[in-house]
Amino acid sequence: GENVEQHPSTLSVQEGDSAVIKCTYSDSASNYFPWYKQELGKGPQLIIDIRSNVGEKKDQRIAVTLNKTAKHFSLHITETQPEDSAVYFCAANDYKLSFGAGTTVTVRA
Amino acid sequence: NAGVTQTPKFQVLKTGQSMTLQCAQDMNHEYMSWYRQDPGMGLRLIHYSVGAGITDQGEVPNGYNVSRSTTEDFPLRLLSAAPSQTSVYFCASRSDWSQETQYFGPGTRLLVL
Repeated sequence: GENVEQHPSTLSVQEGDSAVIKCTYSDSASNYFPWYKQELGKGPQLIIDIRSNVGEKKDQRIAVTLNKTAKHFSLHITETQPEDSAVYFCAANDYKLSFGAGTTVTVRA
Repeated sequence: NAGVTQTPKFQVLKTGQSMTLQCAQDMNHEYMSWYRQDPGMGLRLIHYSVGAGITDQGEVPNGYNVSRSTTEDFPLRLLSAAPSQTSVYFCASRSDWSQETQYFGPGTRLLVL
């Protein structure tokens, strides 16, 4: 089955700086790569996703890039704000979603 | 729409007790699934269902049972609780197996003593 690795496990950034989270996957058949944000005490919520026929997608301050050849994809958050503090999960879909271990992002004011 | 709802929010069990975690969705989604979340391990799939009457095992199914008698409900049963089942459990749904956007419930925090 699919194996998704996510780095780093924790990330602390100064407000206004950028944050980057990287994930790798193992199954070349995976064709859908979502990113979820989980705030304390809540369920994960989809924030952006990318499909295998697209190399990059942007939505305001967040962007995701995909390198199919290298089997890795990344989440980029620009101009970070305190409300960006949360746990972020990447996932890869080869019919069943497989999740990375998560990255705890802390934005320092 | 209420989306995906889960009950209870929090539960304490003693080793060997059984219980059912409830999950319901009002979006007429065919595909539903259960995950457990443990520190440093992300979300691991326990069981999933592609429609009423159809269920299958995920990555970590041992100690859990599911059934899907209606489109709306997908309960998760712990047959004989063990401390290793202490975790946060999330139910999720999406419109069907081919559609990717998945919606999660708020979670049930389970402590097994």
